[in-house]
Amino acid sequence: EVQLVESGGGLVRPGGSLRLSCEGSGFTLSSGWIHWVRQAPGKGPKWVARLKSDGSNTPYVDSVEGRFTVFRDSAKNTVYLQMNSLRIEDTAVYYCARGVYDRHFDLWGRGTLVSVSA
Amino acid sequence: QSALTQPASVSGSPGQSITISCTGSSGDIGHYNLVSWYQQHPGKAPKLIIFEVTKRPSGVSSRFSGSRFGDTASLTISGLQAEDEADYYCCSYAGGTAFVFFGGGTKLAVL
Repeated sequence: EVQLVESGGGLVRPGGSLRLSCEGSGFTLSSGWIHWVRQAPGKGPKWVARLKSDGSNTPYVDSVEGRFTVFRDSAKNTVYLQMNSLRIEDTAVYYCARGVYDRHFDLWGRGTLVSVSA
Repeated sequence: QSALTQPASVSGSPGQSITISCTGSSGDIGHYNLVSWYQQHPGKAPKLIIFEVTKRPSGVSSRFSGSRFGDTASLTISGLQAEDEADYYCCSYAGGTAFVFFGGGTKLAVL
């Protein structure tokens, strides 16, 4: 079955760090564009970052630039989102999604909850 | 960065048709043929139901259709069914460093 599974969420204090994982099955993650999208409670989704199949040109939404990093371990068929200097406003369900380039997202994981609270 | 504007809620009876609007700008919806729509049931991941304004992924019911006029895109659901009750989000590519915007979402109630 083709799917994405996120893990690594949890409760963290402001200023802390978390590393989210997005493991693919049924297809090779490195052959596609993988995006991270987050959804704060009661809000619409918000695009966060993207990793192209060749690993180049990884853009981030302004609010996480310099704090979040996306990278891949091809041997584990996994994409990661390293989140540092976390803020309360980073609280959300984080989804990884397979993008058809930057056009739309045709496969989503079930998400992992990140809660940033003192 | 600005989100796309959707009505907070719409409702309809089984068998009826409803339309959800999504208003953007000349920099996103009005410029690119890259509007997509997602259905999200409570506690579930979003599901792609429309891409590139009017196209349906394989397996998505033909009751779902998309359109665009100017800076506004629309999702129409015909023959409403109970299982259509969900949140619906529009999304548009915006180019440059703005990338991708989502709407705030519309809650569909099937009465």
